[in-house]
Amino acid sequence: ELKVEQNPLFLSMQEGKNYTIYCNYSTTSDRLYWYRQDPGKSLESLFVLLSNGAVKQEGRLMASLDTKARLSTLHITAAVHDLSATYFCAVDFGNEKLTFGTGTRLTIIP
Amino acid sequence: DVKVTQSSRYLVKRTGEKVFLECVQDMDHENMFWYRQDPGLGLRLIYFSYDVKMKEKGDIPEGYSVSREKKERFSLILESASTNQTSMYLCASGWTANTEAFFGQGTRLTVV
Repeated sequence: ELKVEQNPLFLSMQEGKNYTIYCNYSTTSDRLYWYRQDPGKSLESLFVLLSNGAVKQEGRLMASLDTKARLSTLHITAAVHDLSATYFCAVDFGNEKLTFGTGTRLTIIP
Repeated sequence: DVKVTQSSRYLVKRTGEKVFLECVQDMDHENMFWYRQDPGLGLRLIYFSYDVKMKEKGDIPEGYSVSREKKERFSLILESASTNQTSMYLCASGWTANTEAFFGQGTRLTVV
């Protein structure tokens, strides 16, 4: 079965702290995407990771892909309030679909 | 900027009604998708289309059908709406082997 699992599902963190969201997937893929969703809004593309070892950074967010471990991480550095959102990873298993994780709801508290 | 536009943000329909959700994209994308989003379940693919008049079932197609008569428009049809189809519906387009999918703003459908 093609599965994508994220953890944690919920995350509250203090401003200024660092944390990592994990995305594990069940079978071989070298294409993974990260999205952000604000409450009541649609999904916004954050990162496209297309090969083993790919690393992308934008502001306080950095995403990486380890295809051998079937793992992607989204690292948050020195969190600020406007990073509060739900973050999804999505995997291309080569079956003409994108399979999404369940999402991680991130809340940054002062 | 890529634009994916869904016809309604909020919709309330009665059980048994036929419901049409419309999605239009302006970037000449070949691939278009319909997902539903439910708390704790993430996004689940209902149907997708990789060309005009072509459609493929996703993971949860039961109770739904789709239509793609023109490249820019992909419609999701609930033949006879039921309360368990109350959900957020998201349309997406794009996504080839090297680019991401772009999402519409979503339609929150409530079936009463």
